[in-house]
Amino acid sequence: EAGVVQSPRYKIIEKKQPVAFWCNPISGHNTLYWYRQNLGQGPELLIRYENEEAVDDSQLPKDRFSAERLKGVDSTLKIQPAELGDSAVYLCASSLDRRTAAIQFFGPGTRLTVL
Amino acid sequence: DAKTTQPPSMDCAEGRAANLPCNHSTISGNEYVYWYRQIHSQGPQYIIHGLKNNETNEMASLIITEDRKSSTLILPHATLRDTAVYYCIGQGGEKLTFGTGTRLTIIP
Repeated sequence: EAGVVQSPRYKIIEKKQPVAFWCNPISGHNTLYWYRQNLGQGPELLIRYENEEAVDDSQLPKDRFSAERLKGVDSTLKIQPAELGDSAVYLCASSLDRRTAAIQFFGPGTRLTVL
Repeated sequence: DAKTTQPPSMDCAEGRAANLPCNHSTISGNEYVYWYRQIHSQGPQYIIHGLKNNETNEMASLIITEDRKSSTLILPHATLRDTAVYYCIGQGGEKLTFGTGTRLTIIP
């Protein structure tokens, strides 16, 4: 069974440029998460989807970050424009449903470097 | 979610049992204790969870004290591939709140 797929694995951009990350969760998983992980820190939740609905986006910086999960399967996280402080690893995770929300399966992440 | 406290780093000799402690003195009665680990350049990986009984699976054992204020994750025969950051999470809702974890290094 394929795990959570993320692309790209690495991205280097200059500040003020836009960037997008893509995630394909495990087949059949209704809940999808985007996390940001700064160096030396644990992952921090940005947004959580139940199917195509964003049910928790309280930590998403909405002035520059946006996300979508059309058709309730794969998802895209976008930053526009990127700032130096956005350099981090962006992780996508999925879980089967709300009942098993704490057992999450993570992708390898996208390492973003903003110059 | 309960606040958890873990030592920042630990070493363990290869082949020995690795015992990773976690304090969660503010955990409430309906909050579970979850353990994840993160190997370098990978996403976190679920290991085990428990409420008040000890739990064991193919990866590890989880020992929770009777008062539920602390727990210990046990890797019975550590290998070099167990080198990772281990996160202890007290969770009662639908999201995980990661701390900074314990960096476990397995020494050959």
